Amino acid sequence: LAKTTQPISMDSYEGQEVNITCSHNNIATNDYITWYQQFPSQGPRFIIQGYKTKVTNEVASLFIPADRKSSTLSLPRVSLSDTAVYYCLVGEYSSASKIIFGSGTRLSIRP
Amino acid sequence: EAQVTQNPRYLITVTGKKLTVTCSQNMNHEYMSWYRQDPGLGLRQIYYSMNVEVTDKGDVPEGYKVSRKEKRNFPLILESPSPNQTSLYFCASSLLGQPSYEQYFGPGTRLTVT
Repeated sequence: LAKTTQPISMDSYEGQEVNITCSHNNIATNDYITWYQQFPSQGPRFIIQGYKTKVTNEVASLFIPADRKSSTLSLPRVSLSDTAVYYCLVGEYSSASKIIFGSGTRLSIRP
Repeated sequence: EAQVTQNPRYLITVTGKKLTVTCSQNMNHEYMSWYRQDPGLGLRQIYYSMNVEVTDKGDVPEGYKVSRKEKRNFPLILESPSPNQTSLYFCASSLLGQPSYEQYFGPGTRLTVT
């Protein structure tokens, strides 16, 4: 399993775009990159997943450069309700195995 | 409604008194997993199961047991709980065999062992 490194915390303001970068230098060929969001005392919630280039859904975008050694979760026009912890995970999920969440990034949004 | 349920949601118990936390999912998922979450340590995987009768250890399996006799259920058993098992526990499930490996998490069980 590839180890991931994320900033411990980030601050931003309502209406801004927030980009959270995750480093995964040892990512393997078959690994996918997945991001989860967690609110206090709730289970994590899947946000987005990708393998390469760019993936976009109704919640966020995920940018993955060609070397795949990092990825960036982009949250457009954040609101107070986006205050949460965001986790980046890397792994070959088709074979199913241990899953390591890491420490995540605590995002705080201010009015 | 597709969901993962856990029971109980809150539990206070004493050291050494065996307990079981139940987990059930209604999505016909093959993969199920248990995590514990402690302040400053993030989410750590305890055990996981890829299908009925197939279980394996995660990162922190000591002091826990699991069983997977039915596809929908994956109970977590603490044979002799100790105070260091005081934590917030989450059960999760997902499909296997496709890239969209999206885990669905239960609401959590807050366990206190005194």
